[in-house]
This record gives sequence, structure tokens and C-alpha cells, in this order.
Amino acid sequence: SAVISQKPSRDICQRGTSLTIQCQVDSQVTMMFWYRQQPGQSLTLIATANQGSEATYESGFVIDKFPISRPNLTFSTLTVSNMSPEDSSIYLCSVDKRQGHTDTQYFGPGTRLTVL
Amino acid sequence: GENVEQHPSTLSVQEGDSAVIKCTYSDSASNYFPWYKQELGKGPQLIIDIRSNVGEKKDQRIAVTLNKTAKHFSLHITETQPEDSAVYFCAALNTNAGKSTFGDGTTLTVKP
Repeated sequence: SAVISQKPSRDICQRGTSLTIQCQVDSQVTMMFWYRQQPGQSLTLIATANQGSEATYESGFVIDKFPISRPNLTFSTLTVSNMSPEDSSIYLCSVDKRQGHTDTQYFGPGTRLTVL
Repeated sequence: GENVEQHPSTLSVQEGDSAVIKCTYSDSASNYFPWYKQELGKGPQLIIDIRSNVGEKKDQRIAVTLNKTAKHFSLHITETQPEDSAVYFCAALNTNAGKSTFGDGTTLTVKP
């Protein structure tokens, strides 16, 4: 399995500011993902972050709004820039962990963001 | 792309009864189907998964079945307990493509 921690666990921010969320994994992984989960909704993939390359963003998400860093195989950050109340959501870090010939996806505990 | 539909959106059962949640998928290339349990204020936790070369998998009170021909898979929880109350998500993934598609979730309530 993979143990994933996120910081902060929650935050309340003012409109127009930015927040950087950190994700730390207890082992090296190739693929890391950032998801958004709005209240009562399913998980929406924001981007895939692989070490040593630019993050790949899904439709509707852009690098200027959600810049991502992936400096090594156990760490990533997601920044939510120029926040508005519509950005209020849970942001989840996820990793693919290869065990033998199979990949399994694990999630962090999430960061609950409220934008006033 | 892949489309995953999950039913029901809410499910309420009495403690000790069984609960069944069903998902359908559209992409025949999907070959991995995990189920996640998300408790309030926490991230999704993998509870069981099945791969396309298997029709059924069981882990204590939880089982998952897969019908590749019909493109649907189901989660079965027997002898439900109040601590089973949570939101459950199914997902479908083509491991060669690398991205999971999630269902909309089922809120399960187990009444004592």
C-alpha cells in the first residue's frame, strides 16, 4: 500500500489569494494525481504529475490556475491561484503504486478548502 | 472516453441486511475496477478491486462481481454494520491508458 499525507488538512482563504497544498508519499511513485471533489460530488481529475516532466492537465483545468510541482518521486504540490468561492472544494492527492505487475491507486486524506 | 454510471445514489438498509451497489462502464478496454469507501472528512480508501481476468472476488463481508460482456460490476456487502455507513465510489480504468473514471458515488446508511 501507500501512505499519503497532505498539508494543510483544511484552510479558509480570502478571495484573490493563493494556497499551496503539499502531498507527501511514504515511498517512491511514478504517477501522482490531483483531484477535486466538490461537496457531495464525485472525484474530478485536475492533472497528472510525473517527476521530471510538466504536469498534464484535464479539460477545464489550466496551469495558470493550478500550477503543480513534482520535484521528486515522493512529493508534489498543487497551488490554487487567485481563488474565488467556486474553488471551495476538497483537493485530493493520489498515487499509482505498482506491486508486481499490477497498479493500485491510493488517495490522501484531502485538503478541505473554503474560499470566502 | 470512459463513462461510469453508478446506482443507486443513496441506499438505506437495516443492520445485518445486505447492500448491493451497481456500476456500468462503456469502454471495453477498461480492465481494472476498484471500489472506494469514503467516510466523512476523509479521503477515499480502497476496499476491494477486481481485474478483467476474474469474475468474482471476496474479502470477508465484501465481494465484487464483474460481467465483462454486459460491462457491469457490483459491490456486495453482507451482514452490514453501522460502521459501513459511508459514500462508496466505483471506478473503471484501462491500466494501459492510466486514468481512472469514477462513478458519482452511493451514500450507504446502515440503520442500527
